[in-house]
Amino acid sequence: QQQVKQSPQSLIVQKGGISIINCAYENTAFDYFPWYQQFPGKGPALLIAIRPDVSEKKEGRFTISFNKSAKQFSLHIMDSQPGDSATYFCAAKRQYGNKLVFGAGTILRVKS
Amino acid sequence: DTGVSQDPRHKITKRGQNVTFRCDPISEHNRLYWYRQTLGQGPEFLTYFQNEAQLEKSRLLSDRFSAERPKGSFSTLEIQRTEQGDSAMYLCASSLAPVWQGAEKLFFGSGTQLSVL
Repeated sequence: QQQVKQSPQSLIVQKGGISIINCAYENTAFDYFPWYQQFPGKGPALLIAIRPDVSEKKEGRFTISFNKSAKQFSLHIMDSQPGDSATYFCAAKRQYGNKLVFGAGTILRVKS
Repeated sequence: DTGVSQDPRHKITKRGQNVTFRCDPISEHNRLYWYRQTLGQGPEFLTYFQNEAQLEKSRLLSDRFSAERPKGSFSTLEIQRTEQGDSAMYLCASSLAPVWQGAEKLFFGSGTQLSVL
């Protein structure tokens, strides 16, 4: 059972463009939604996270948009750079839970 | 380097053998997690420790898997009688219990890549 559905599986963006990755969830008990970035041979690293009481959170070039009614959230990478090429995972967690539930990942390639 | 350390980085074993992985969390972190990641998938939760107590185990963790965290410091994950389906990246993560439960920030190690032949 895939609790967090992520799309697209892969994405190619030109340098300077906007990368958009989408996630949807079913469990309304989720109340913490982080995005992780993973480079080959490395573990995932927390990029940015949001709580459902806000609709948007921005940190530098990275923005999370959150739609509680639609149970969807997305990651926007502005001015995408070749160094952003990595696999991105959305995740979700219940407030009193101990585990993150991850999406299947999106492989992002930024062409220079 | 004060991040999460995992050893070994790679392990190749034959089916039926036992393997053990080690994780050294960030020193002040009291929470430790094990996740498993297969190619093309996101990490899947295996188990969680708060200090030395193992508080949650996934149904994915069969009887062949056991994890320990003696004295609440490093942790080991042992797989007995390995099967080809156990081939995966085994990731360890640690965190410090936050004031607000949902805001917990996990720091992942680089993982141990297990190949079962």
